[in-house]
Amino acid sequence: DVKVTQSSRYLVKRTGEKVFLECVQDMDHENMFWYRQDPGLGLRLIYFSYDVKMKEKGDIPEGYSVSREKKERFSLILESASTNQTSMYLCASSAPGQGAGANVLTFGAGSRLTVL
Amino acid sequence: AQKVTQAQTEISVVEKEDVTLDCVYETRDTTYYLFWYKQPPSGELVFLIRRNSFDEQNEISGRYSWNFQKSTSSFNFTITASQVVDSAVYFCALSEVSGGYNKLIFGAGTRLAVHP
Repeated sequence: DVKVTQSSRYLVKRTGEKVFLECVQDMDHENMFWYRQDPGLGLRLIYFSYDVKMKEKGDIPEGYSVSREKKERFSLILESASTNQTSMYLCASSAPGQGAGANVLTFGAGSRLTVL
Repeated sequence: AQKVTQAQTEISVVEKEDVTLDCVYETRDTTYYLFWYKQPPSGELVFLIRRNSFDEQNEISGRYSWNFQKSTSSFNFTITASQVVDSAVYFCALSEVSGGYNKLIFGAGTRLAVHP
């Protein structure tokens, strides 16, 4: 079974802490994505990466950074966590598209982060 | 700007009822893709269907069917004879080409509760 694995299902952190959310995929996918899910807002794209060491800002990158040192791993970093970053974080990956926007995303189970 | 609207926040039905989840989108692209994903209580989004903008044929897969109408910019999802296992949050999504990259824009989601 193809898999996207997020290392932590639940995290509780304090304001100002540095937080790492790890995501690993075993499908040899080039593309990886980090989304944030909030009630009433759906999924919003934070950052994405189309290749190793490459990153692009999504729609809400403020307060976040990412790292992609290896093809299979895409990390989301909160340099100084704040309470408004309490949310569900979803990682996804996909193979290169078969045309504009054809990508089918495979998602991880999510990491629910609470910042106190 | 690209946008996906799922006006129904929550739907509650009794088992065996038919239910339709609405999705309306906005795009200036002539080539685009539409998707439906299911998020069960476990949290992991599961891909259900992808439809490209040139294929307006309706699709049926078991109890699931999809109605794509470009004239009304809608891509609605119907579950026939609903079951408790259909209880989940359902997301409609639209592909977007931005800055040379393909991204998905998600709607806010519709939470479906199917009661025995």
